[in-house]
Amino acid sequence: HLLESGGGLIQPGGSLRLSCAASGFTFSSSDMDWVRHVPGKGLQWVSSISANGDITFYADSVKGRFTVSRDNSKNTLHLQMNSLRADDTALYYCAKEMLYGDYYFDLWGQGTLVTVSS
Amino acid sequence: EIVLTQSPDTLSLSPGDRVTLSCRASQDISESVAWYQHKPGQVPRLLIYDASNRAFDIPVKFSGSGSGTDFSLTISSLEPEDFAVYYCQQRNIWPPTFGQGTKLEIK
Repeated sequence: HLLESGGGLIQPGGSLRLSCAASGFTFSSSDMDWVRHVPGKGLQWVSSISANGDITFYADSVKGRFTVSRDNSKNTLHLQMNSLRADDTALYYCAKEMLYGDYYFDLWGQGTLVTVSS
Repeated sequence: EIVLTQSPDTLSLSPGDRVTLSCRASQDISESVAWYQHKPGQVPRLLIYDASNRAFDIPVKFSGSGSGTDFSLTISSLEPEDFAVYYCQQRNIWPPTFGQGTKLEIK
């Protein structure tokens, strides 16, 4: 089970921190990702973090603005989003990667909506 | 990045119909394709990975095939709960990318 929180309405240039609480699986052994659903544009991969948190990757569109992190002691994934733009407006999902299946997502949360608008 | 083009955008079908959804990649991606089902108000669900392997607990009515640039998802006999949006996704070439989705609607 994955449960996102932290979304909301934010002005361009602002910041938000998304969180994802995990349960029902061994979080500390799982690579995790953020994927967003942009209205009218479908699903876009945003970021990934390795199980122990030492390796991170970002889509070019968010590199330098977003930071993914995790707290394995609290089974929680985070996405710090800075310098937000209108085109960051989306439903943000956290997703678990399959064991032995990098970048295949076998568990998704319900999503948290981020709206960037003045 | 790899562009995945799904066709058609929308299909209107009836329960009991057999359907095949298409996904075409902009370059060779081997067999590194997954398919997801997404119903309104629900979380996306992994159906198929590595083009043809059913994910855990996915019924046999769902099957996938293809390699290289052309992939398909077949649902052998549609049930009311199968009407949803279906996405393909590739992981062969970074970054992972998704198709735009095909919506199955009830005729």
